[in-house]
Amino acid sequence: AQSVSQHNHHVILSEAASLELGCNYSYGGTVNLFWYVQYPGQHLQLLLKYFSGDPLVKGIKGFEAEFIKSKFSFNLRKPSVQWSDTAEYFCAVINNAGNMLTFGGGTRLMVKP
Amino acid sequence: DGGITQSPKYLFRKEGQNVTLSCEQNLNHDAMYWYRQDPGQGLRLIYYSQIVNDFQKGDIAEGYSVSREKKESFPLTVTSAQKNPTAFYLCASSIGSGRSETQYFGPGTRLLVL
Repeated sequence: AQSVSQHNHHVILSEAASLELGCNYSYGGTVNLFWYVQYPGQHLQLLLKYFSGDPLVKGIKGFEAEFIKSKFSFNLRKPSVQWSDTAEYFCAVINNAGNMLTFGGGTRLMVKP
Repeated sequence: DGGITQSPKYLFRKEGQNVTLSCEQNLNHDAMYWYRQDPGQGLRLIYYSQIVNDFQKGDIAEGYSVSREKKESFPLTVTSAQKNPTAFYLCASSIGSGRSETQYFGPGTRLLVL
């Protein structure tokens, strides 16, 4: 069975600090990975996704993630966070059949102005 | 304006009562999904449907039922058998159900038990 772990449940940063959110997955098949974000009061929306090719994936709003197969990781990064990045972030992996998206427990990020 | 709509935004359920959450999409997506979100547990899949008149159980289907009579609609019923229904329920859809498909989410319905 596939699973996703996000080890940081809550992260507090000051504006302009660098961000790295950890995501580790367990899945035996070909891996497709996602990061979703949920801003306060808004829909869950896609930040970025990895299907194949370049393991460094760039997403919206200056976010990027690196797929490291040997470490079963897909960490999310941003060089300089803004107050508007305050949100909950979810890492997810999808199975080969494409019908089972498994989410991590989420990381709540608070950026202090 | 294309997207996924869920109604109501808030729903209250009394003990022993069945309630139905609505999910509609006008994206012409074949696949639709229901997730439950609890604090610290991320999202967990309840049911999914890859095509009209067909649906499959997810990880936590007990106490829930669904139907898929129309492509654009995938209502979820929370039955009285669901012992801990208080949660945030999210509906999603994707063009197809292949692993390269991105799922798009609705705004959610928060269910509270009185």
